[in-house]
Amino acid sequence: DSGVTQTPKHLITATGQRVTLRCSPRSGDLSVYWYQQSLDQGLQFLIQYYNGEERAKGNILERFSAQQFPDLHSELNLSSLELGDSALYFCASSAGAGGITDTQYFGPGTRLTVL
Amino acid sequence: AQKITQTQPGMFVQEKEAVTLDCTYDTSDPSYGLFWYKQPSSGEMIFLIYQGSYDQQNATEGRYSLNFQKARKSANLVISASQLGDSAMYFCAMREGNPNSGYALNFGKGTSLLVTP
Repeated sequence: DSGVTQTPKHLITATGQRVTLRCSPRSGDLSVYWYQQSLDQGLQFLIQYYNGEERAKGNILERFSAQQFPDLHSELNLSSLELGDSALYFCASSAGAGGITDTQYFGPGTRLTVL
Repeated sequence: AQKITQTQPGMFVQEKEAVTLDCTYDTSDPSYGLFWYKQPSSGEMIFLIYQGSYDQQNATEGRYSLNFQKARKSANLVISASQLGDSAMYFCAMREGNPNSGYALNFGKGTSLLVTP
């Protein structure tokens, strides 16, 4: 158990809908990262928050947004869902802001299925 | 351009044997960190081992060790005394030190390891 929690574990929804994925980082960690894992794209970095502020942005679609709250938990919002958004979404956390020694610990993931 | 290359899509190893999973990386940044993660069929990503570009010695964590060859830009994971529970996907990842490169981990496509009795 990494100490990172994600809810829900599974999510099934329809095209055009909006969902929210939730993540609680390990105790004491200030950074939260979101990744998408799909068969064709592999593991893709979406976005990072550090202590409530957006720190880095990756291949995140405009239909997706995220935030980190004062208690450091984070939410990833996915809207106008398409079939291609079906994937495993991971949250990871790290103690620091993202230096080269800053190990990221991953949550169990949320499996999103868009029908 | 692909920053992390894992050339072995799948590997077999017999229980109790050692196995090496290959990883090569591409960066011009002198400062970087290399990570290996394990993803069992249950889906979670488990951190295994870390190697920094300035580390003089190869990293070791229990049965896991990293064969770090900086000049060849390779960071191969060695698993000694394989166990059935080692069957999983293994991912190599890198983070560069230049903030302009971002703070994300760049992952390879992974190697599927199957340990047989």
